[in-house]
Amino acid sequence: KQEVTQIPAALSVPEGENLVLNCSFTDSAIYNLQWFRQDPGKGLTSLLLIQSSQREQTSGRLNASLDKSSGRSTLYIAASQPGDSATYLCAANFGNEKLTFGTGTRLTIIP
Amino acid sequence: EPEVTQTPSHQVTQMGQEVILRCVPISNHLYFYWYRQILGQKVEFLVSFYNNEISEKSEIFDDQFSVERPDGSNFTLKIRSTKLEDSAMYFCASRNRVSDTEAFFGQGTRLTVV
Repeated sequence: KQEVTQIPAALSVPEGENLVLNCSFTDSAIYNLQWFRQDPGKGLTSLLLIQSSQREQTSGRLNASLDKSSGRSTLYIAASQPGDSATYLCAANFGNEKLTFGTGTRLTIIP
Repeated sequence: EPEVTQTPSHQVTQMGQEVILRCVPISNHLYFYWYRQILGQKVEFLVSFYNNEISEKSEIFDDQFSVERPDGSNFTLKIRSTKLEDSAMYFCASRNRVSDTEAFFGQGTRLTVV
């Protein structure tokens, strides 16, 4: 069964620190992986899409990596700010068009 | 910037009633999706739609659910006879090509069945 896991469920970090969010998936035959941000009670904002042929993708202070062989993706956030506080979701596309989501990591940046 | 628009943002309905959730996908997109998120749980896939027909559906998407693209811009999800367990946030998404492009999500409709 194709599954996506995110650990830890919650993370608190002082403002200004760099941090890494983790995402694991069970099937190495992944097409791509997408990272989203979700604010409480709100929709999903796409942050980055990383293709299976790529190892990294960057947007501003965000950097996503993908390692198919180990079944892992990470989202690196540089110089964290209180506005980065949100739940971060990763979602894998295993080639059957739908996205399979992880449970998310709730990030709190402490001012 | 183009965005996926969903209406209403909140819907409260009585058990057994029919509801229609509405979505306007991004205009040049061809692939449309509905997902749902029960409070505190994962976002789950419901159905995908392409070329005016369902291309894939999950076990959740039973006979009580249907989707339609009634015109060139709207994409709807109908729940025929709502149950308490249908209470969730429902997200519409679209993309312009399958598999290798970003999926863009709307802000969601929070459905509460009482």
